[in-house]
Amino acid sequence: DGGITQSPKYLFRKEGQNVTLSCEQNLNHDAMYWYRQDPGQGLRLIYYSQIVNDFQKGDIAEGYSVSREKKESFPLTVTSAQKNPTAFYLCASSIRTGGVKETQYFGPGTRLLVL
Amino acid sequence: DAKTTQPTSMDCAEGRAANLPCNHSTISGNEYVYWYRQIHSQGPQYIIHGLKNNETNEMASLIITEDRKSSTLILPHATLRDTAVYYCIVVIYNQGGKLIFGQGTELSVKP
Repeated sequence: DGGITQSPKYLFRKEGQNVTLSCEQNLNHDAMYWYRQDPGQGLRLIYYSQIVNDFQKGDIAEGYSVSREKKESFPLTVTSAQKNPTAFYLCASSIRTGGVKETQYFGPGTRLLVL
Repeated sequence: DAKTTQPTSMDCAEGRAANLPCNHSTISGNEYVYWYRQIHSQGPQYIIHGLKNNETNEMASLIITEDRKSSTLILPHATLRDTAVYYCIVVIYNQGGKLIFGQGTELSVKP
């Protein structure tokens, strides 16, 4: 089955702790994205990557970090600098970026809660 | 950035067509209209997209007005499983493919 997987489904963070959310895709897509969704709100872009070993900040990158060492993987680390990390985190991928005809496909999401 | 305006909520009877409107009066000539939906606590699901012609796929139809300032997503025979929040999004060209999600329309399909 082709698709995007995110793990874990639920994640708990203690104060001052860094946590890493996993995102893997086997669609052979070049571009990958991380979004954050707060209750009752739309999605906001955290980081995106157009190609391996390259990524750019989105609208709300502060307190987050990413890496793109492999085409199929784009992990997101929520650092202790992110003061309000409780949210639903969504990973997406698309064949390419920079053009108009790019459909993003989303994973099932990870819900992060602060203890 | 082209913004979209959608009604906050709509109801539809099961088996009837659901028509979801979207206004995007500031859309540029090379921007596409995309529709996604999100069932509670799941990732958004792609439905359909278009530039200026009407489009149809196995899930829905997309009707775009001639001036491209508005569009309508049509679910021809709504089922209870179509209950979700539907997002109309204008894709910004050459900016990392960022999707700007607004509040969307909460569609409730009722028996």
